[in-house]
Amino acid sequence: DAGVIQSPRHEVTEMGQEVTLRCKPISGHDYLFWYRQTMMRGLELLIYFNNNVPIDDSGMPEDRFSAKMPNASFSTLKIQPSEPRDSAVYFCASSLWRNTIYFGEGSWLTVV
Amino acid sequence: GESVGLHLPTLSVQEGDNSIINCAYSNSASDYFIWYKQESGKGPQFIIDIRSNMDKRQGQRVTVLLNKTVKHLSLQIAATQPGDSAVYFCADPHGRTNDYKLSFGAGTTVTVRA
Repeated sequence: DAGVIQSPRHEVTEMGQEVTLRCKPISGHDYLFWYRQTMMRGLELLIYFNNNVPIDDSGMPEDRFSAKMPNASFSTLKIQPSEPRDSAVYFCASSLWRNTIYFGEGSWLTVV
Repeated sequence: GESVGLHLPTLSVQEGDNSIINCAYSNSASDYFIWYKQESGKGPQFIIDIRSNMDKRQGQRVTVLLNKTVKHLSLQIAATQPGDSAVYFCADPHGRTNDYKLSFGAGTTVTVRA
């Protein structure tokens, strides 16, 4: 069975550039989550959607970050402009109603 | 602050021994907990979950115990193997606010000694 699929797996970009991370949740799942993981702050929830609608974006660090979910099978997390402190691993996860949340393998972002 | 917290940041275990990883939670209304394993370079992987109507749940080589009185849960790994080396997280989908947000503790890094 296909799990949560994220792309790109690795990205190195220059400060000021736009970064777009993509996620395909598990088919049939109605919740989608974006997390960020760093050594300093651990796993942080950025935003989550239910049935494609953003429910809580209080974890989004600032206006440079935005997330969309145009349909049930696709979501993006965009950073514009990117900064070195945005370097982290970004995880997408999905679940069916309020059950187990399954994670993708992550997008490893380095901003230089 | 976090709604779940692990007691020890690191745990070193001899191969073949049993491992016990502890976790405390703060929201007495929390009714569902999940344990995840994260290997280096990978995303968190579901191990086992437990609902508050249970005190114990067993999987393959893993057992989770839930003590609602003291708001504590533990993950026991039997006959620890080198492949068990990873960071382990306990997670509470409802966190501090009863919203559906998966809150993670800081994680316990388990190192298995040969």
